[in-house]
Amino acid sequence: GEDVEQSLFLSVREGDSSVINCTYTDSSSTYLYWYKQEPGAGLQLLTYIFSNMDMKQDQRLTVLLNKKDKHLSLRIADTQTGDSAIYFCAEMGGGGADGLTFGKGTHLIIQP
Amino acid sequence: DAEITQSPRHKITETGRQVTLACHQTWNHNNMFWYRQDLGHGLRLIHYSYGVHDTNKGEVSDGYSVSRSNTEDLPLTLESAASSQTSVYFCASSVRLFETQYFGPGTRLLVL
Repeated sequence: GEDVEQSLFLSVREGDSSVINCTYTDSSSTYLYWYKQEPGAGLQLLTYIFSNMDMKQDQRLTVLLNKKDKHLSLRIADTQTGDSAIYFCAEMGGGGADGLTFGKGTHLIIQP
Repeated sequence: DAEITQSPRHKITETGRQVTLACHQTWNHNNMFWYRQDLGHGLRLIHYSYGVHDTNKGEVSDGYSVSRSNTEDLPLTLESAASSQTSVYFCASSVRLFETQYFGPGTRLLVL
């Protein structure tokens, strides 16, 4: 089946930029998503990008998509302690029929 | 405000018992999904529905069933709970295929 891979941990200093990377295998992906999960909470949609776009910016968040390499990244500018969470990359395949395929999540750790 | 809710938020049950987890959304979304979240696996799709009386199996459907008698609800039933079904369960909904999925707060299930 299709697969989505992410690094398990990322540690950054408060105020620096965080870049969370994701790779996927489904060449027919239509939408790619970034979700945030805080401890004990559900998943909060952060942003998404359609597969025919290269970049999307939304305030402190920048999503970059390299469709050729099947690589997606999420950049968080000026990282704050409130950004500490697990970030999930997810993709929806071309048929849309099977829900989302998620990566295992990246734990973002903020150092003071 | 429209929302998606899950109940109970926490549940402890015994092996072999039947358990039903509720999911209710007030957005009038056609599509509803159930995922389970486990350490080391991220989120995996259990079942999904595209509308009333429609249900489909996801990646990890064995031991689970769903029914869709109205637009708002998609209850998830564990026919005979097993310890391997100890997990956090998330319900999600979307208005159309390829549209963003919005997640409920999750249900933590412990099977003893």
